[in-house]
Amino acid sequence: EAQVTQNPRYLITVTGKKLTVTCSQNMNHEYMSWYRQDPGLGLRQIYYSMNVEVTDKGDVPEGYKVSRKEKRNFPLILESPSPNQTSLYFCASSIRGGGVSTDTQYFGPGTRLTVL
Amino acid sequence: GNSVTQMEGPVTLSEEAFLTINCTYTATGYPSLFWYVQYPGEGLQLLLKATKADDKGSNKGFEATYRKETTSFHLEKGSVQVSDSAVYFCALVNKFYFGSGTKLNVKP
Repeated sequence: EAQVTQNPRYLITVTGKKLTVTCSQNMNHEYMSWYRQDPGLGLRQIYYSMNVEVTDKGDVPEGYKVSRKEKRNFPLILESPSPNQTSLYFCASSIRGGGVSTDTQYFGPGTRLTVL
Repeated sequence: GNSVTQMEGPVTLSEEAFLTINCTYTATGYPSLFWYVQYPGEGLQLLLKATKADDKGSNKGFEATYRKETTSFHLEKGSVQVSDSAVYFCALVNKFYFGSGTKLNVKP
């Protein structure tokens, strides 16, 4: 089954404790992206990756890191989480990205993160 | 720059009512336009899309027409069901910009 998976689905942590949210897709997609969803703000892009070893900042990259060492995986890293990073996070992938305007994005189920 | 504006929710309708959720955009070039739906506890799923002006996207009884002259992509459905209760996001793609989402509640 074609899908995007994220782990963990729920996470409660404390300020400053490094964490990683994993994202994996089995569709051989080139483009992957991370979003955060906050009430009244919709989805905002954190980072995206056009292909292996190619990553770029989205609209709200501060406090986050990503890596793309393999095509299927795109982990989101919070080196020192803070309470304002409490949010619902979605990973997404598409065949291609950027200037190819017809591609559909496929979303993971979401990770609800609470930073105390 | 690029942006998407959609009507604020929640929108509450009775079953079989007519639905319109407004979406307008600003963009450079000629982006594709999408509607995504998020059911409770799930990720976003593509509902429909249109890739050029005057295209109509349709799926599951929902429709939206890409109107370049009014820079709009309003979502419509003639008769909503309780199962349509979800959050709906309008998006434009040259770099994936999403609106803030409109929550729809349909009462039986």
